Amino acid sequence: AQTVTQSQPEMSVQEAETVTLSCTYDTSENNYYLFWYKQPPSRQMILVIRQEAYKQQNATENRFSVNFQKAAKSFSLKISDSQLGDTAMYFCAFRPYAGGTSYGKLTFGQGTILTVHP
Amino acid sequence: DSGVTQTPKHLITATGQRVTLRCSPRSGDLSVYWYQQSLDQGLQFLIQYYNGEERAKGNILERFSAQQFPDLHSELNLSSLELGDSALYFCASSPTSSSNEQFFGPGTRLTVL
Repeated sequence: AQTVTQSQPEMSVQEAETVTLSCTYDTSENNYYLFWYKQPPSRQMILVIRQEAYKQQNATENRFSVNFQKAAKSFSLKISDSQLGDTAMYFCAFRPYAGGTSYGKLTFGQGTILTVHP
Repeated sequence: DSGVTQTPKHLITATGQRVTLRCSPRSGDLSVYWYQQSLDQGLQFLIQYYNGEERAKGNILERFSAQQFPDLHSELNLSSLELGDSALYFCASSPTSSSNEQFFGPGTRLTVL
C-alpha cells in the first residue's frame, strides 16, 4: 500500500514571494505518477502539476515547479511569485503507473493550507 | 469547469436514510472514480469504473454501492446513513483506466443529521 505524507498542515507567504510545500511518499512501486492538486475555497479540485517517476527532469508549469527526489521519495512543490489566488488547500497525490488492482486510484496526502498575504 | 457534472450540489438527509449521488463524466471519458473527502479521513478513494465495469475498489463501506451505466454516467448509492457519512463526495473521470489525469467534478456536499 502507498502512503503520502504532507508534514505542513499550514503555510503562509507574502504576495510575490516564493514558498515550498513538502510531500513524502512510501511505495514499493518503481513506476508511478505524482501530482499536486489545488483546492480553493470553492472546493473544486484543480490539477496543478504532475511528474512521471521515470522522468528525471523536474516538471514545471509557469510559476509552479517541483523538486522530485526519487531515492528520497520526496516531491515538493515550489510556488514562485505567489499570488492572492494561490490561497488554497494543496494536496500531494500518488498513482501507480498502470495495472494491478490499484489502476487509477489516487492516494492523497492530508493537505497543506496555504495562505497568501497581501 | 472540468466538464464533469455532479448532482445534486448539496444534500441534507437524516440518519438511516438512503441517497443517490449522480455523476456525468466528460464527453468521451470511459473511466469514473468516486472519492470521499471528510474532516477526519481526508480524501479517500472509494471505487473506480471503466466502461461499465468495476476496476478498483478502495475504502468503500458495504453500505455504499456504485454503478456505471451504458451512457457512462455513474451513481453512488449510500444507504443506512450515519452521521459520519457527512462529507464531500467527488466524482472524477478520465479517458481510460490508466490515464495520467483525472478531471474532478464540483462535488456533492452530503450532510447527515
